[in-house]
Amino acid sequence: DGGITQSPKYLFRKEGQNVTLSCEQNLNHDAMYWYRQDPGQGLRLIYYSQIVNDFQKGDIAEGYSVSREKKESFPLTVTSAQKNPTAFYLCASSIYPSGRTQETQYFGPGTRLLVL
Amino acid sequence: DAKTTQPPSMDCAEGRAANLPCNHSTISGNEYVYWYRQIHSQGPQYIIHGLKNNETNEMASLIITEDRKSSTLILPHATLRDTAVYYCIVRVLGNTGKLIFGQGTTLQVKP
Repeated sequence: DGGITQSPKYLFRKEGQNVTLSCEQNLNHDAMYWYRQDPGQGLRLIYYSQIVNDFQKGDIAEGYSVSREKKESFPLTVTSAQKNPTAFYLCASSIYPSGRTQETQYFGPGTRLLVL
Repeated sequence: DAKTTQPPSMDCAEGRAANLPCNHSTISGNEYVYWYRQIHSQGPQYIIHGLKNNETNEMASLIITEDRKSSTLILPHATLRDTAVYYCIVRVLGNTGKLIFGQGTTLQVKP
């Protein structure tokens, strides 16, 4: 069953704690993305990666970090520097890196992060 | 990236066609129109996209005006499961790949 999986579905973070959100895809997609969604708002891009071992900052990268050691995995770490981390986090992937063709992004089910 | 304007909410009777409009008057020649929808607390679902010709797939039809300044997403026979927020997005080929989501239209399908 192909698709994008995110875990956990809900995650609780204590003040000053780093947490890592998982995103895995078995679609053999090259590009992967992380978005943040706040209540009643659209999505904002945090980080994206067009190829293994390479990633770029999006519009709201401060307080977040990522890695792309494997094609199928793109974990997001929410660090203690992110002062307002409570949000719905969405991972997406697409078959080609942007700039070469008009690819479609497909989304995972999301992780809801709550700060205690 | 071009900005899109959508009505904040719409109602549709179950079994009837749902027509969701989108204005994108500043769209450029190489920008595609994409539609996604998001059911509450789930990830956005891709619906359809197009450049200038009308498009149809198993989920919906996309009608783009000849001047490309507006488009309409048509769900031919809306069901209760089509209740969601629908986002109209324009994307230029060659950008970072990010999708710029606006507020979208909340479609409520009623029995």
